[in-house]
Amino acid sequence: RKEVEQDPGPFNVPEGATVAFNCTYSNSASQSFFWYRQDCRKEPKLLMSVYSSGNEDGRFTAQLNRASQYISLLIRDSKLSDSATYLCVVNYYGGATNKLIFGTGTLLAVQP
Amino acid sequence: DGGITQSPKYLFRKEGQNVTLSCEQNLNHDAMYWYRQDPGQGLRLIYYSQIVNDFQKGDIAEGYSVSREKKESFPLTVTSAQKNPTAFYLCASSIRSGYSSYNEQFFGPGTRLTVL
Repeated sequence: RKEVEQDPGPFNVPEGATVAFNCTYSNSASQSFFWYRQDCRKEPKLLMSVYSSGNEDGRFTAQLNRASQYISLLIRDSKLSDSATYLCVVNYYGGATNKLIFGTGTLLAVQP
Repeated sequence: DGGITQSPKYLFRKEGQNVTLSCEQNLNHDAMYWYRQDPGQGLRLIYYSQIVNDFQKGDIAEGYSVSREKKESFPLTVTSAQKNPTAFYLCASSIRSGYSSYNEQFFGPGTRLTVL
């Protein structure tokens, strides 16, 4: 089983739609969580850090369920510019190591 | 203008050659990391460094070497021992490592290495 699992997509949605991505992680010791956005052939960029049970930033809402080891990202009112791959990232540290485990990403294509 | 820079953007190498990828940051971050990304796979950690003159192997260190002589710089050498070096290489840094739960990593623009 992969440490971080995501639905690879692609998710094809019209502009203005609401879309949700799911992510599960296997290590219950995981302690912080992030969503990164990666455009084609570019570096990942931090979209949101996920605090406690979740947080909201404009059109983006991230939720965390530690009991189920599940993270989600909700995008409301999708824009063409939201088209990208969304990476679920889980952080845990053992000793002095800050280790990020990356999912393979979910591809979103917003259609006009 | 703070950030992480990587050079070159594209690199072509003949089999049997060693190449060095540059990574510099002026964010005053303590920790730096090297990842590789292959199609259909998540980023995989090659090496990381939490302080100057110290570094540790990540999950796929074989065939790679690094140094951390300055806080700002963390070059990666891809040696001829690396069996499948063609990949997208990403350098990242974070403000600190180890004891912070919310220790976001920030990435450079990457180097795309192709072995001919």
